[in-house]
Amino acid sequence: EAGVTQSPTHLIKTRGQQVTLRCSPISGHTSVYWYQQALGLGLQFLLWYDEGEERNRGNFPPRFSGRQFPNYSSELNVNALELEDSALYLCASSLAGRGYGYTFGSGTRLTVV
Amino acid sequence: GENVEQHPSTLSVQEGDSAVIKCTYSDSASNYFPWYKQELGKRPQLIIDIRSNVGEKKDQRIAVTLNKTAKHFSLHITETQPEDSAVYFCAATPWRGSTLGRLYFGRGTQLTVWP
Repeated sequence: EAGVTQSPTHLIKTRGQQVTLRCSPISGHTSVYWYQQALGLGLQFLLWYDEGEERNRGNFPPRFSGRQFPNYSSELNVNALELEDSALYLCASSLAGRGYGYTFGSGTRLTVV
Repeated sequence: GENVEQHPSTLSVQEGDSAVIKCTYSDSASNYFPWYKQELGKRPQLIIDIRSNVGEKKDQRIAVTLNKTAKHFSLHITETQPEDSAVYFCAATPWRGSTLGRLYFGRGTQLTVWP
């Protein structure tokens, strides 16, 4: 069984630019979650998508947004990049709306210069 | 919302010794407590979890204990091995209302096991 896959693995962007990160969940999983892992800050919840709808979002500004497609894959968009957006962005998936047994992808390392 | 604190931030042990990592949570409604292991450059992996109706759970060398009254839970690793070296994260969630869909993570413990 393929795990959660994320692309790209690494990305370097300039402040003010926009970026799109992609995530494919485990087959059969309909819920996708996005987390930001900045150095020394643990994992901070960004967004939860299920059945194509945004179900919840964390305490991040509106320039962080995303969507989920009919095949349950998801993308995270970040506009007007700031230096502090540099972090590892992790996607996780689970069966519909169940927090039990989140499975994480390997993440996208975003560096903003 | 929920607030999870994790201690210590770093832990060094000799191979074969035991390691204990402790977490406290603030929301008494939290009912699910997973632990994740993240090796350098790799994804966080679920190693054990416990629900609020259980006080202790074991899986080989790993155990988790939960004290709902005191609102703390701990990860115990016995007979540590160098391959246990990683960052360990605890998490908690009430999984209801505005907390639906999210886990609240501690800041992590860097465990180093010396051969």
